[in-house]
Amino acid sequence: NAGVTQTPKFQVLKTGQSMTLQCAQDMNHNSMYWYRQDPGMGLRLIYYSASEGTTDKGEVPNGYNVSRLNKREFSLRLESAAPSQTSVYFCASSEVRGGTSPLHFGNGTRLTVT
Amino acid sequence: QKEVEQDPGPLSVPEGAIVSLNCTYSNSAFQYFMWYRQYSRKGPELLMYTYSSGNKEDGRFTAQVDKSSKYISLFIRDSQPSDSATYLCAMIYTGGGNKLTFGTGTQLKVEL
Repeated sequence: NAGVTQTPKFQVLKTGQSMTLQCAQDMNHNSMYWYRQDPGMGLRLIYYSASEGTTDKGEVPNGYNVSRLNKREFSLRLESAAPSQTSVYFCASSEVRGGTSPLHFGNGTRLTVT
Repeated sequence: QKEVEQDPGPLSVPEGAIVSLNCTYSNSAFQYFMWYRQYSRKGPELLMYTYSSGNKEDGRFTAQVDKSSKYISLFIRDSQPSDSATYLCAMIYTGGGNKLTFGTGTQLKVEL
């Protein structure tokens, strides 16, 4: 039982390059999320998918796109990476979106954009 | 002003000490309060979860919510080196689009 799995673990990009961060969960959860974590800023929501087939913007969606491929998988794409996107990215899932359903996080992707 | 404020630390305590970690918040609508623990280079994991005011105990951990003061605390008794981590508070209210708001985290080091 792996929980939430993120790939890759580390990535270095040059400004303007694109990449896709992959996330998969095996807990049969309906809701999935992408966060970024920066020193002094805490965890900020980029995009979320409340259920299969839906996606919505979070606090900091600019420069990102997402795809909810199926119930298990939720990917995050950077079309043209910028140094401001250097961060640690976490994928999370929950049974449903809401206060009574805690989030389960993956171990993150550490992205550096030079 | 951030909706949720948390002292970043670092907080260093000797093994066996009682640790108190705190968050203050400005939005009185918050209903559900959580504490996550995050080890270095890992994702956050849920530690404690409480609804509204009061205390909740789980082993060496006690979560306390004081809605009148907009203040939540996590107490760790008999702290161990394995408790060394960053502790994040988080809170949510259903009327706010189910938006989970995190504190920035307090880094705790428990020394032998």
